Amino acid sequence: EIQLQESGPGLVKPSQSLSLTCSVTGYTITSGYDWSWIRKFPGNKMEWMGYISYSGSTNYNPSLKSRISITRDTSKNQFFLQLNSVTTEDTATYYCARAFYVMDAWGQGASVTVSS
Amino acid sequence: DIQMTQSPASLSASLGETVSIECLASEGISNDLAWYQQKSGKSPQLLIYAASRLQDGVPSRFSGSGSGTRYSLKISGMQPEDEADYFCQQSYKYPPTFGAGTKLELK
Repeated sequence: EIQLQESGPGLVKPSQSLSLTCSVTGYTITSGYDWSWIRKFPGNKMEWMGYISYSGSTNYNPSLKSRISITRDTSKNQFFLQLNSVTTEDTATYYCARAFYVMDAWGQGASVTVSS
Repeated sequence: DIQMTQSPASLSASLGETVSIECLASEGISNDLAWYQQKSGKSPQLLIYAASRLQDGVPSRFSGSGSGTRYSLKISGMQPEDEADYFCQQSYKYPPTFGAGTKLELK
């Protein structure tokens, strides 16, 4: 059974970078699928942020394109989110997920607050 | 981006009642529509994809329908464990976009 688990700081200062790790067990991230990040804002709006594919290609939401980077470490079966120049508007719960157009497995979510 | 308008924002249903939730897309999405359930404090779970295909393990009281721009999720016989947030997602065009969610409570 596939499991995904997000980890990273719960508090980030404005203008700094937000970095999260998604650790995957039960499936090898180079075997298939797109490995995605999605966030849910206070008030419940959800935003797809981007993915890194099983082959290593990336696709980002144009609304974030200048600030986001998704990378991976295949030896650890992990993928990562970096979001630069954060503001309080980036306060959200961040989810990693396995996707092929739809997200069929999700992590538990990591709550991140941007505050000084 | 394709806008997904979901309704209602919240509803309350009695045990055994049939419930419907709708999503309206700002343009045709060719049945590329998924529904998710998110219980309090838990991660979202995929219920339905391709508008009407039930994900493995999802109870048959859940069903999806629709075409073009208008889609719906039906729960035939509300159960206590169905109390959750539900949201739709289109995968027809990038970026994928989500509805605002429906909070379903047991009356």
